[in-house]
Amino acid sequence: EVQLMESGGGLVQPGGSLRLSCVVSGFTFSSYWMTWVRQAPGKGLEWVANIKQDGSEKYYVDSVKGRFTVSRDNAKNSLFLQMNSLRAEDTAVYYCARTTGADYWGQGTLVTVSS
Amino acid sequence: DIQMTQSPSSLSASVGDRVTITCRASQGIRSDLGWFQQKPGKAPKRLIYAASTLQSAVPSRFSGSGSGTEFTLTISSLQPEDFATYYCLQYNTYPRTFGGGTKVEIK
Repeated sequence: EVQLMESGGGLVQPGGSLRLSCVVSGFTFSSYWMTWVRQAPGKGLEWVANIKQDGSEKYYVDSVKGRFTVSRDNAKNSLFLQMNSLRAEDTAVYYCARTTGADYWGQGTLVTVSS
Repeated sequence: DIQMTQSPSSLSASVGDRVTITCRASQGIRSDLGWFQQKPGKAPKRLIYAASTLQSAVPSRFSGSGSGTEFTLTISSLQPEDFATYYCLQYNTYPRTFGGGTKVEIK
């Protein structure tokens, strides 16, 4: 069974940092592109980032470029999102998903940026 | 960036109704489009990929069509468990972009 589980969310002050993790099971992690998607409270879905199987290609939405970094550890079946210089508008539930087409999703982790 | 214009933003329908949701892309995306269903407090679930291919275990009352710039999600006979918000996603070009969502409510 394909499973993805995010962790690392929480309350952080504006300008702060947070690192999200996504641990997967039930498939060969190293064979898939991976995706981060977020959803602000009461709003729609927003694609955040993609990373290639070996980490050699990464893509970001403009609003997070230079602040967020996606990475992965294939030996540990883990995907990460390092979020720096956080802003109030980054407040959202963050989901990891498999492939660029997002066929399977985790349950999400809430990030709240507030003083 | 490719804009995905989804319509309507909401609709009211009854059990058994046929429902159609449309996504228009601001430029051609071949068939690189997925449809997702999201229920309150839950993660989205993919229903359709490659514009018209049904995800495994998704009921056959869901179908997708289109290519290029215009795409449609159809629910042939709405069931109580289908009341949710639906999104399209283009994965042809970076940045990937979602439609704004369609909330399907009970009439």
